[in-house]
Amino acid sequence: QKEVEQDPGPLSVPEGAIVSLNCTYSNSAFQYFMWYRQYSRKGPELLMYTYSSGNKEDGRFTAQVDKSSKYISLFIRDSQPSDSATYLCAMSSPFGNEKLTFGTGTRLTIIP
Amino acid sequence: DGGITQSPKYLFRKEGQNVTLSCEQNLNHDAMYWYRQDPGQGLRLIYYSQIVNDFQKGDIAEGYSVSREKKESFPLTVTSAQKNPTAFYLCASSDTMNTEAFFGQGTRLTVV
Repeated sequence: QKEVEQDPGPLSVPEGAIVSLNCTYSNSAFQYFMWYRQYSRKGPELLMYTYSSGNKEDGRFTAQVDKSSKYISLFIRDSQPSDSATYLCAMSSPFGNEKLTFGTGTRLTIIP
Repeated sequence: DGGITQSPKYLFRKEGQNVTLSCEQNLNHDAMYWYRQDPGQGLRLIYYSQIVNDFQKGDIAEGYSVSREKKESFPLTVTSAQKNPTAFYLCASSDTMNTEAFFGQGTRLTVV
């Protein structure tokens, strides 16, 4: 079993819909959680960074962490065609020199 | 502007040749990484470095080599021993090993 599981999709939704992207993880030591957006043939860009549990909002994006369920989510409100990309979750532990562990990414398409 | 610069963007190599991919960062980050990304797949870690003059193998180091002589630079050499080198290569850096990573725009290597 992988440490981080992410549904690869593809996921297609109509423009304006709310998108929910999710990752589950098995390592209870993870406390730093990130979401990256990757456009085709480009490097991933950091979208959201959260520490421990709770919600964080930035414009149309909301990151949610539920440590009790080992489950993180990224919500995109009022989705736009420009949101079409692959979204990767990543997480790490603050203990020792642990590297980031990435999900495999979910490919999202917003249909105009 | 602070960031990570990868060059070249596209690279073609004949079979049997070594090739070096460049990665430079001006974020004053201690940690640097090389990932490989194949179509429809997640990120696979090749090598990482926590500090100058030190580096560690990642999950798929065979056929690759790196150096870290300067804090800003972490070049990756794809050797002729790498059996399937055609891929998208991503360099990243982070302040420490377990904090958020920032990526370059990638180098697309094609073996012809």
